Parts: sequence; structure tokens; C-alpha cells
Amino acid sequence: DVVMTQSPLSLPVTLGQPASISCRSSLSLVHSDGNTYLNWFHQRPGQSPRRLIYMVSNRDSGVPDRFSGSGSGTDFTLKISRVEAEDVGIYYCMQGTHWPRTFGPGTKVDIK
Amino acid sequence: QVQLVESGGGVVQPGGSLRLSCAASAVTYGMHWVRQVPGKGLEWVAFIGYDGTDNHYADSVKGRFTVSRDNSKNMLFLQMDSLRPEDTAVYYCAEDSTGGPLHWGQGTLVIVSS
Repeated sequence: DVVMTQSPLSLPVTLGQPASISCRSSLSLVHSDGNTYLNWFHQRPGQSPRRLIYMVSNRDSGVPDRFSGSGSGTDFTLKISRVEAEDVGIYYCMQGTHWPRTFGPGTKVDIK
Repeated sequence: QVQLVESGGGVVQPGGSLRLSCAASAVTYGMHWVRQVPGKGLEWVAFIGYDGTDNHYADSVKGRFTVSRDNSKNMLFLQMDSLRPEDTAVYYCAEDSTGGPLHWGQGTLVIVSS
């Protein structure tokens, strides 16, 4: 199985400042169709996860443009340009290229 | 946007069975089951393609869980057999879109305990 790792696992942030989360996969996530299926999710306490980013860098509908995704192969990053209070919670990356699908362990973001 | 509602969770003894359901408000395509131990991370469980022939499972549930669907009723199911205490979790159904779960339900809690 593809192992997904994230760093840091805990990220205290200052409101209005940028934040960045790294996600690495144990195997290249480039699919045989040429696409790279790397997703990012955000989960607030007591809520279901919400997908923010699909295929590395595409924002889902309604996702603020302060969120951006980048990367290739095995190395990916989620960036928040200016953290807002509603951004606290846990962020997960998930690969959608190989079976079985696998999630990263999560990065907990809270306000300093 | 499709709405998803899970049901069927509850308390079951180790070795027992439970069938989860997921009702969709509209036609759905590929569907996932994802679970989460309270306070822990997300674990992908299973996937079923639109016509039910493309099924995949996590190693931890392979041979014990079976995913199925009834497209005439916009329903998704997860038959869970030989349940273990480590299967205790909130189970979410979610619709796939471009390689990952996009729309999620609110989850249903399964507790495996004697």
C-alpha cells in the first residue's frame, strides 16, 4: 500500500499569516492516464471532512482562493496564504491513484 | 450537490454483523466508505463503481466487508461481517469525483464491544 506522510503533524498559526503543510507518498502518484490524483481535505471538530483540492492543485467549488495546492510525483504541498479563524482543524492528504486509497495521518492546525 | 445520509450504525458484539446504508438524494457514481475512530485520523475502507463491478477494499476489511449498491433506489450499502473491536469507528459514505471523495455524509457510529 502507498504510505502517505504529512509534516508537520501540528501547526500553530498566527491569524493573517501564511501556513504550509507537506505531504509525501511512498510511491509516485502519477496515474497511467497521466494525471496525478492527490487530494486535500479539511475537517473541523464534529464535522465531516470537506475536500479542498483535487488533482494536486484544483480547488473544489466554494473553496476560498487563499488555499492552493502544488507538487508532483511524491511531494506535495498545501498552502494557506493568510490563515483565518475558520481554517482551524485537521488537514489530510489522500492519494487517489493506487488501490487501496490511503490518507495521510493529518495535520492539526490551530491558532497561536 | 448530492446529499448523503448514512444509517445502520449501532452496538454489535465481536464476531457479529452489521449492514450500513447510505441514501443519496440523486444518482451517484463511484462511491467510497471511509471510517474514523473518534479522535483519530481518516481510514479509507472501500469503493464501488457505478455499475457495482469495480470494487476495492482496504486490506484491514478485505474478506469481511462487502460493498454493494442499488442504483434504482440511490442506495449504497456496506455489509460488515466478523466484526472486531478495531472496527469501532464513525463510517462515512462519500461520492467520488476526479479521484477522491467529494460529497460526504454525516457518518454513522459503529461500536464493536461485548
